[in-house]
Amino acid sequence: EDKVVQSPLSLVVHEGDTVTLNCSYEVTNFRSLLWYKQEKKAPTFLFMLTSSGIEKKSGRLSSILDKKELSSILNITATQTGDSAIYLCAVGSGGSNYKLTFGKGTLLTVNP
Amino acid sequence: ETGVTQTPRHLVMGMTNKKSLKCEQHLGHNAMYWYKQSAKKPLELMFVYNFKEQTENNSVPSRFSPECPNSSHLFLHLHTLQPEDSALYLCASSRAGFNQPQHFGDGTRLSIL
Repeated sequence: EDKVVQSPLSLVVHEGDTVTLNCSYEVTNFRSLLWYKQEKKAPTFLFMLTSSGIEKKSGRLSSILDKKELSSILNITATQTGDSAIYLCAVGSGGSNYKLTFGKGTLLTVNP
Repeated sequence: ETGVTQTPRHLVMGMTNKKSLKCEQHLGHNAMYWYKQSAKKPLELMFVYNFKEQTENNSVPSRFSPECPNSSHLFLHLHTLQPEDSALYLCASSRAGFNQPQHFGDGTRLSIL
C-alpha cells in the first residue's frame, strides 16, 4: 500500500523564522511529488517535482526531491503570518491509473 | 477563485436523506476527482473520471454514487449516510494523464445528524 508521511505534524514559529517541512514516501511506480498549501478552503498547488525537475523555487518557498532517500523538503524563509496553513505533500504514482496519495499534512502557525 | 466551484459549501442532512454535491470546473480539464478529508487523516481519493469515464473507485461504499455527465461537471449523490461520513468533500480537476497537477475546489462541509 502506498504511504506518505509528513513531519512534523504541527509547528509554531515567529515571523521571520525559516522552516523546513519534511515528506517521505513509499509508493509503487513513483512519478511525481507535489506540495499544496491549504488554508481554510481549497488546497492550492505550490510545486511538482519529478525525476527531471528535482528542485523548485518560488519567492520564499523552495522544495527539493531526494529520490535516493525517497523524501522531499519544503523550505519557507522569512516566514510571514500569511504562511500559516496546512502544507500537504502528495505523491503521484502509477501509469494509466495514475493517482495521488496524500500525507496528513503539517500545520504551520506563524505568530507575529 | 480557483476555477473549480463546489456547491453547496455546507450541508447538514439526516441519515435517511438523499442529497447531491455538485462540482464544476472552468479550466478546460478532462479529469475530475472526488476526495474525502476527515480530521487528522490524509485526503482519501474516492473516485476518478477521465474523459467522463470512471477509472477509479477506491472501495467507496455504495451509499456514495458519482456521476459525470461531461468533462466540466461532477456530482456525488448521497443516500443513507452514516455519522462517520461527516467530512469535507473536495472536488479536483486536472488534465488527464500522469504528472498533471490537480486543482481543488473549496469543498463541501458535510455533517450527518
